[in-house]
Amino acid sequence: DAKTTQPPSMDCAEGRAANLPCNHSTISGNEYVYWYRQIHSQGPQYIIHGLKNNETNEMASLIITEDRKSSTLILPHATLRDTAVYYCIVRVEAGNTPLVFGKGTRLSVIA
Amino acid sequence: GAVVSQHPSRVICKSGTSVKIECRSLDFQATTMFWYRQFPKQSLMLMATSNEGSKATYEQGVEKDKFLINHASLTLSTLTVTSAHPEDSSFYICSALDRGGFRYGYTFGSGTRLTVV
Repeated sequence: DAKTTQPPSMDCAEGRAANLPCNHSTISGNEYVYWYRQIHSQGPQYIIHGLKNNETNEMASLIITEDRKSSTLILPHATLRDTAVYYCIVRVEAGNTPLVFGKGTRLSVIA
Repeated sequence: GAVVSQHPSRVICKSGTSVKIECRSLDFQATTMFWYRQFPKQSLMLMATSNEGSKATYEQGVEKDKFLINHASLTLSTLTVTSAHPEDSSFYICSALDRGGFRYGYTFGSGTRLTVV
């Protein structure tokens, strides 16, 4: 079972920041927070991951609370192409255990 | 970055026939590949774990004789849906883990839309 909770849907105006929350209150000390997204009829795409420090890459920023029980994915300037289902997943970084997907958040970017 | 190629992207087959889906890691070796199934408006559901050179491990409720998985090399895993029926119509997605321990998680194929008529 997925160990994360996300809102089922969100809307965001084009050009504005999209902030997608995720609760993972039972996260273990060695588990990372991963974010993937799935654009319609495509395979999931890796976005970003982190352990406890905030992370930023060319796609997004990841803010993890100090107690690590929740996180927020930030798309700084959302575009129509960012419309997708966003999945927050917790897992250990090493090993070959599969990704377990929850229901994710359906983000709709509106012009 | 790592690339996983999945073919075909779409397939329509008649009920009772078999369909093979290929998943290839193009620029890395994958000791482990995973197969997922996704029904409309639902999340990805893990079907099986494929390990190179050994038998696949199936999730509960997935018929191993119906969904045949072969992982004969470090770059190729195949999923064969045998005696397909309309209820097998779904979006099938593979993912692969870099043998070297790709620290960013898994790379996914683009998916195969199977329609059984």
